[in-house]
Amino acid sequence: NAGVTQTPKFRVLKTGQSMTLLCAQDMNHEYMYWYRQDPGMGLRLIHYSVGEGTTAKGEVPDGYNVSRLKKQNFLLGLESAAPSQTSVYFCASRQGSPSGANVLTFGAGSRLTVL
Amino acid sequence: AQKVTQAQTEISVVEKEDVTLDCVYETRDTTYYLFWYKQPPSGELVFLIRRNSFDEQNEISGRYSWNFQKSTSSFNFTITASQVVDSAVYFCALCHGSGNTGKLIFGQGTTLQVKP
Repeated sequence: NAGVTQTPKFRVLKTGQSMTLLCAQDMNHEYMYWYRQDPGMGLRLIHYSVGEGTTAKGEVPDGYNVSRLKKQNFLLGLESAAPSQTSVYFCASRQGSPSGANVLTFGAGSRLTVL
Repeated sequence: AQKVTQAQTEISVVEKEDVTLDCVYETRDTTYYLFWYKQPPSGELVFLIRRNSFDEQNEISGRYSWNFQKSTSSFNFTITASQVVDSAVYFCALCHGSGNTGKLIFGQGTTLQVKP
């Protein structure tokens, strides 16, 4: 049982390059999220999805795009990477329900450095 | 607006000491959920506990205990007889109760270092 898998785990980019982070979950979860973690700021929500084909902006969406073409996958894209996007990115998923009780399951994180 | 504040950035204790991590939250909702997650040096986020706004009973799980007080909007976490393996970053988080998208709002995190 893999849970939530993120690829790649590490990546170094040059300013202006593009890349995509892939998140895959095998728990049939409806909801998926992308967070970024920066020192002293906790985790901040970038984008999220409440089901296949849907996406929505979170707290810090600028500079990122997402897609949820398949229920099990949630892609995070950087079209033109900037040094400010150097961070650790976490994907998470949870069962779908109106309640906020469901626990998020997190991936292991992807460390991105933009030079 | 919803907000979670963990005022303690870093705490350092010696093994076997008790330590309390503070968490203060702000919300206008009457129904909400509070969480604690642990992030060990390996980097993954590990779920520790969930509490709903209608249940103010304290909870104990082994050396871990949680004190939820709605009157002070606090959800503090105590580790009794700390161990080196408790060294980690601990996050408190808040979620709306119903009709929501399950978004977690995290505090800044508290780094706990337990020295042998």
